[in-house]
Amino acid sequence: DVKVTQSSRYLVKRTGEKVFLECVQDMDHENMFWYRQDPGLGLRLIYFSYDVKMKEKGDIPEGYSVSREKKERFSLILESASTNQTSMYLCASSLSTGKGYTFGSGTRLTVV
Amino acid sequence: QKEVEQDPGPLSVPEGAIVSLNCTYSNSAFQYFMWYRQYSRKGPELLMYTYSSGNKEDGRFTAQVDKSSKYISLFIRDSQPSDSATYLCAMTPNAGGTSYGKLTFGQGTILTVHP
Repeated sequence: DVKVTQSSRYLVKRTGEKVFLECVQDMDHENMFWYRQDPGLGLRLIYFSYDVKMKEKGDIPEGYSVSREKKERFSLILESASTNQTSMYLCASSLSTGKGYTFGSGTRLTVV
Repeated sequence: QKEVEQDPGPLSVPEGAIVSLNCTYSNSAFQYFMWYRQYSRKGPELLMYTYSSGNKEDGRFTAQVDKSSKYISLFIRDSQPSDSATYLCAMTPNAGGTSYGKLTFGQGTILTVHP
């Protein structure tokens, strides 16, 4: 059935580590998005991509980078993890014609 | 001020109650409006999708959009314990195009329906 798969449900990493979060969709969607979700702050857009090798900054890109080498895969990279990056990370995808997102189940990242 | 405001609740109602969830927004360019439901430790799932003003009904769920007041609502009739979740409103100016369908979300309202 589904659709958007995030590689890990839970991750614990140490401060300063380089962290990779992987997201794969099987719906041939053009657009892919990375959000983080924090209590009281809601969903905040980190980066998105509208095509292979294309990326755009969202509202909070600092400390993150992304990679989209294939249409179905969108990776979020934390270059040097910090404790304030402890959060729930959600990947989503959508068609270029819109009609809303399909989300993955999320990755709960804890940086210690 | 946030572009989209949503009362975070929490909202607690008895089974069978009618639930009203609301969002207000400030950007008059928004034309597409959505409601997502998010169960604990899961990703959000699309519940309702509407374009411009008016009502849309799907089973026990009704979405209303009043663009003149910049106000959207989700009504849940005959609420069930299985409706207990966080409900997020979301909106965008364009379905695709140059905005790539990027959504602006409300904070989410936590709903509990108790038996």
